[in-house]
Amino acid sequence: EVQLLESGGDLIQPGGSLRVSCAASGFSFLVYAMSWVRQAPGRGLEWVSLISNSGDRVYYADSVKGRFIMSRDNSKNMVFLQMNSLRAEDTAVYYCVSDGLHPGTNWGQGTLVTVSS
Amino acid sequence: DIQMTQSPSSLSASIGDRVTITCRASQGIRNDLAWFQQKPGNAPKRLIYAASTLQSGVPSRFSGSGSGTEFTLTISSLQPEDFATYYCLQHHRSPRTFGQGTKLDMK
Repeated sequence: EVQLLESGGDLIQPGGSLRVSCAASGFSFLVYAMSWVRQAPGRGLEWVSLISNSGDRVYYADSVKGRFIMSRDNSKNMVFLQMNSLRAEDTAVYYCVSDGLHPGTNWGQGTLVTVSS
Repeated sequence: DIQMTQSPSSLSASIGDRVTITCRASQGIRNDLAWFQQKPGNAPKRLIYAASTLQSGVPSRFSGSGSGTEFTLTISSLQPEDFATYYCLQHHRSPRTFGQGTKLDMK
């Protein structure tokens, strides 16, 4: 069974940093690019970042470029999103999503990040 | 960046109705488009990929069409479980972009 399990969501003050993680199982993780997608409360879906299967290429939405860093550890079947200089508008549920030729095959259940003082 | 304009933003319909949702890309994206359904409190679920290929296990009343810049998702005969929010996603180029969403509710 395919599983994507996010963790690390928390309440964090504006300007702070947080790292969220995603543990993958049940599929050939090494073959897949991976993405993070977020959804602010009551709002639509926003694509945040993508990393290639080898980790040598990473892309970001303009809204997070320069503040967020996506990485992966293929030896542990994990992806990470390091979020720095957090703002209130970064408050959202963050989903880990399988990507590649046909993105969105698999989604995690999401982890909630709340940026508030 | 490629912009995706989805319409309508909301739609009221009845059981058995035929429903069509449209996404327009700001530049050509071939058929690099997927459609997702999301119900409250749940992660999105992919319905269609490559613009017109039905995801395994998705009812055949859902269909997708289009290529280039104009795409449609059609539900041929609306069922009670179809009331949800629908999104398109272009993956022709990064940054990927979603449409704004269409909330489908009961008339």
